[in-house]
Amino acid sequence: DAGVTQSPTHLIKTRGQHVTLRCSPISGHKSVSWYQQVLGQGPQFIFQYYEKEERGRGNFPDRFSARQFPNYSSELNVNALLLGDSALYLCASSLIDSIYGYTFGSGTRLTVV
Amino acid sequence: AQKVTQAQTEISVVEKEDVTLDCVYETRDTTYYLFWYKQPPSGELVFLIRRNSFDEQNEISGRYSWNFQKSTSSFNFTITASQVVDSAVYFCALSERSGNTPLVFGKGTRLSVIA
Repeated sequence: DAGVTQSPTHLIKTRGQHVTLRCSPISGHKSVSWYQQVLGQGPQFIFQYYEKEERGRGNFPDRFSARQFPNYSSELNVNALLLGDSALYLCASSLIDSIYGYTFGSGTRLTVV
Repeated sequence: AQKVTQAQTEISVVEKEDVTLDCVYETRDTTYYLFWYKQPPSGELVFLIRRNSFDEQNEISGRYSWNFQKSTSSFNFTITASQVVDSAVYFCALSERSGNTPLVFGKGTRLSVIA
């Protein structure tokens, strides 16, 4: 079975641009979450979606938005990029209550210059 | 508010040594879940264990063991007879109320195992 897949793996953008990151969950997983991991820090929660509904939102500005599609894949959008948005963006999928918790993808490394 | 503290930023050991990674957490909930994840250089977070707040039994899985003590709000992770392949960043995380609410991570401990 394929794990959580994220695309692209690496991305370089200029300040002020917009970026879209994509995530495909494990087959059967209906919950998708997004995390931002700045270099040297632990991941920070951005969004959680379940059955296409937003279930939770972390402490991030409105420049960050996300959505989940009928096939449970998800997009994370970031507008008006800042240098501080440079980070590894991790997507995680899960069953509604799995003993294994979340399964994470390998992430998209975003560099804003 | 929830908080996870991993006081050890970096640890370096020689292969075959035992090593313990510390994790201290804060939460007001009586029901919560604790996790350990491993992050190799490739970037993905690899699930190692989940423990709920009502289960204080220690867990052993091969060379890995976990010590959960509610009295000290700690969930420490020990690797016995470390190997070079254990080199990675290890994160402790907390999830309140159920295992499917957002994770709060510590800052991680970078473990280097030297041959």
